[in-house]
Amino acid sequence: GESVGLHLPTLSVQEGDNSIINCAYSNSASDYFIWYKQESGKGPQFIIDIRSNMDKRQGQRVTVLLNKTVKHLSLQIAATQPGDSAVYFCVMIYNQGGKLIFGQGTELSVKP
Amino acid sequence: EPEVTQTPSHQVTQMGQEVILRCVPISNHLYFYWYRQILGQKVEFLVSFYNNEISEKSEIFDDQFSVERPDGSNFTLKIRSTKLEDSAMYFCASSGGGGRQPQHFGDGTRLSIL
Repeated sequence: GESVGLHLPTLSVQEGDNSIINCAYSNSASDYFIWYKQESGKGPQFIIDIRSNMDKRQGQRVTVLLNKTVKHLSLQIAATQPGDSAVYFCVMIYNQGGKLIFGQGTELSVKP
Repeated sequence: EPEVTQTPSHQVTQMGQEVILRCVPISNHLYFYWYRQILGQKVEFLVSFYNNEISEKSEIFDDQFSVERPDGSNFTLKIRSTKLEDSAMYFCASSGGGGRQPQHFGDGTRLSIL
């Protein structure tokens, strides 16, 4: 079946450093990807999305890169802050109806 | 900023009892979803709902599950006869554009089956 997987279950960075969270997906027909952030006790929070006709998209302090050739997605967070500590999910939209396929998530810890 | 709200935040129910989880999606959204997350596992799709009918459902969403939009603002998930394995966080989400726009999630209902 369809799947997305993150490369590392945990990532620890120093405050102020840049963070990179990686993700691989299985379905080359997927054309829409979303990164969500989940803090403890809360629901997934939308961070940024990208469509397959793009290679890169930037938001506030975040950048998503999409490499369709190797079916790889990454989320870069600039100047990581303690408030960025959370579990990050790379999510694939499965079809026009919007079914989301979640990966396992990467837990980002930011050390002061 | 508009948000999805879910009630209750925590529901404790005896096995075999019926439970209804409630959600108020973002007001101008047309696509509604339920997901669940068993402790320590990834978020799993349960069902999508559009135009007053189910668009898609997963294998988890068996005959014990149902969804309803009883009025213009609420979206509910009912489990008719709960099982121990139904214990999980249940998230409601809504979207303005199906597979073309991001879904916005509520903070979930923690369902504990005793």
